[in-house]
Amino acid sequence: DTAVSQTPKYLVTQMGNDKSIKCEQNLGHDTMYWYKQDSKKFLKIMFSYNNKELIINETVPNRFSPKSPDKAHLNLHINSLELGDSAVYFCASSQARTGVYGYTFGSGTRLTVV
Amino acid sequence: GEDVEQSLFLSVREGDSSVINCTYTDSSSTYLYWYKQEPGAGLQLLTYIFSNMDMKQDQRLTVLLNKKDKHLSLRIADTQTGDSAIYFCAEVFSGGYNKLIFGAGTRLAVHP
Repeated sequence: DTAVSQTPKYLVTQMGNDKSIKCEQNLGHDTMYWYKQDSKKFLKIMFSYNNKELIINETVPNRFSPKSPDKAHLNLHINSLELGDSAVYFCASSQARTGVYGYTFGSGTRLTVV
Repeated sequence: GEDVEQSLFLSVREGDSSVINCTYTDSSSTYLYWYKQEPGAGLQLLTYIFSNMDMKQDQRLTVLLNKKDKHLSLRIADTQTGDSAIYFCAEVFSGGYNKLIFGAGTRLAVHP
């Protein structure tokens, strides 16, 4: 009964490759997010979708492209991977655009670029 | 601007109380949150407080909010080794679309 599930959990890939991370939530939430956690554990929001509409797009290289086929799914595609992309990527969802009840996070995808 | 600040480390003895502090910048934040992250795991929502409250208690957890100073604290009573984790303070930043902004996290180490 995982609320927010991400796949894969671990991803090791070479520089220059293209990879995707998938996220699904079964909470009925209408807003989903991608966060990046760096090696110092700092969390920064990347994107947010509300009902399949992109509402937050932080200063992220355009090699990162989110896609939301429906409000229960938010995928992250990364082109031409670089060493600096190595991090843990967290998907999250919230009940409302305001997120007043907090966000529910997935368990993260640890991306290592070699 | 968007900024949430926390001290990075806290070490306490098992059985003592832990107090983790946080300052935030957005005075219009309606909700403030505490999340816990155990090693290799995702973020777990511990508790939240509405901005019109000064205090919220939930079992061993006590949250204090000082809106004037934009200061939030989390007190863990009778700290156990299982409480060892990183604790993140977060606010909903209301500039443009609301988004959850996190502090850098406080690493709590509990020793015997």
